[in-house]
Amino acid sequence: GENVEQHPSTLSVQEGDSAVIKCTYSDSASNYFPWYKQELGKGPQLIIDIRSNVGEKKDQRIAVTLNKTAKHFSLHITETQPEDSAVYFCAANQAGTALIFGKGTTLSVSS
Amino acid sequence: NAGVTQTPKFRVLKTGQSMTLLCAQDMNHEYMYWYRQDPGMGLRLIHYSVGEGTTAKGEVPDGYNVSRLKKQNFLLGLESAAPSQTSVYFCASSHLMVNYGYTFGSGTRLTVV
Repeated sequence: GENVEQHPSTLSVQEGDSAVIKCTYSDSASNYFPWYKQELGKGPQLIIDIRSNVGEKKDQRIAVTLNKTAKHFSLHITETQPEDSAVYFCAANQAGTALIFGKGTTLSVSS
Repeated sequence: NAGVTQTPKFRVLKTGQSMTLLCAQDMNHEYMYWYRQDPGMGLRLIHYSVGEGTTAKGEVPDGYNVSRLKKQNFLLGLESAAPSQTSVYFCASSHLMVNYGYTFGSGTRLTVV
């Protein structure tokens, strides 16, 4: 089945800096790659997703890139703010079943 | 519009006790999922359902059972709780399987002593 690896596990940046989180997946049949943000005590929330027919997608300060050949995708957050501090999860769809998640990245943005 | 509602929010069980976690969604979603979240382990799929009356096993199904008697509800049961089942449990739903974003509940924190 699908296996999703996520790095780094923790990331600390200064306010205004950029943050990048990277994920790799194993199943070449996967074609949907969402990113979730989880704030303390809450459930994960979808922040951006990308499908395999595009290489990049942007939404204001966040962007996701996908390299299907290398089987990796990345989340980019620019001009980070303290409210970006949270746990971020990448995921990939396992054919015929459900989303398989990475282990998460704890992002800390200090002002 | 409540989205996905999980009950209870917190629970402490003794080893060997049983309990049922309830997930309810009001978005008319076909697909529902149960995940558990443990420190450093991310979200792991326990069971999922592709529609009323159907269930299937995920990555870590042992020790759990599920039922989907009504489209809006997905129940997760622990027949004989073990300390290894101490975790935060999240339910999610989606309109179409897999290729669309999930809506998650706020979680149930379960401690087994």
